Amino acid sequence: QKEVEQDPGPLSVPEGAIVSLNCTYSNSAFQYFMWYRQYSRKGPELLMYTYSSGNKEDGRFTAQVDKSSKYISLFIRDSQPSDSATYLCAMSSGSNTGNQFYFGTGTSLTVIP
Amino acid sequence: DGGITQSPKYLFRKEGQNVTLSCEQNLNHDAMYWYRQDPGQGLRLIYYSQIVNDFQKGDIAEGYSVSREKKESFPLTVTSAQKNPTAFYLCASSTRTGYEQYFGPGTRLTVT
Repeated sequence: QKEVEQDPGPLSVPEGAIVSLNCTYSNSAFQYFMWYRQYSRKGPELLMYTYSSGNKEDGRFTAQVDKSSKYISLFIRDSQPSDSATYLCAMSSGSNTGNQFYFGTGTSLTVIP
Repeated sequence: DGGITQSPKYLFRKEGQNVTLSCEQNLNHDAMYWYRQDPGQGLRLIYYSQIVNDFQKGDIAEGYSVSREKKESFPLTVTSAQKNPTAFYLCASSTRTGYEQYFGPGTRLTVT
């Protein structure tokens, strides 16, 4: 079983739609949760990060973590064509003895004007 | 501007040659990482380093080597022993117990 599972999509939505992207994980030691946006042939860009359970909002983006279900989500409101990219979830335990990050395979999103 | 730089952006090599990819960061991060990204496979960890002069193998270290002589620099050598070296290589850094990992722009290596 992979540490992190993410539906690869592709996901195609009309402009203005609400987008929901999700990941599940198996390791209960994960405490830090991140979402990255990656445009084609570019490095991933950190969008949001959260610690433990709860919600975090930044503009049109909301990250949600449910540790009891081992499930994280990223919501994009009023989606724009510029949001078209691959979205990667990532998580880590934050261990001082060797902190590794575990990534989903990414969900490809296209926002149609 | 703080960030991570990788060079070159595109690299072409003949089979059997070793090649070194550069990664530099000015974020004052202790930890640095190398990943390989192939279509449909996500990011796979090659090597990581938590501190200068120390590094650990990741999931796919065979055919690769690294050094960490300076905090700012973490070069990756792709050796001729790597069977499928053509890929997109990403360098990243974080604080030692970091919850934020930042990536460079990547190097696309093509070996023919």
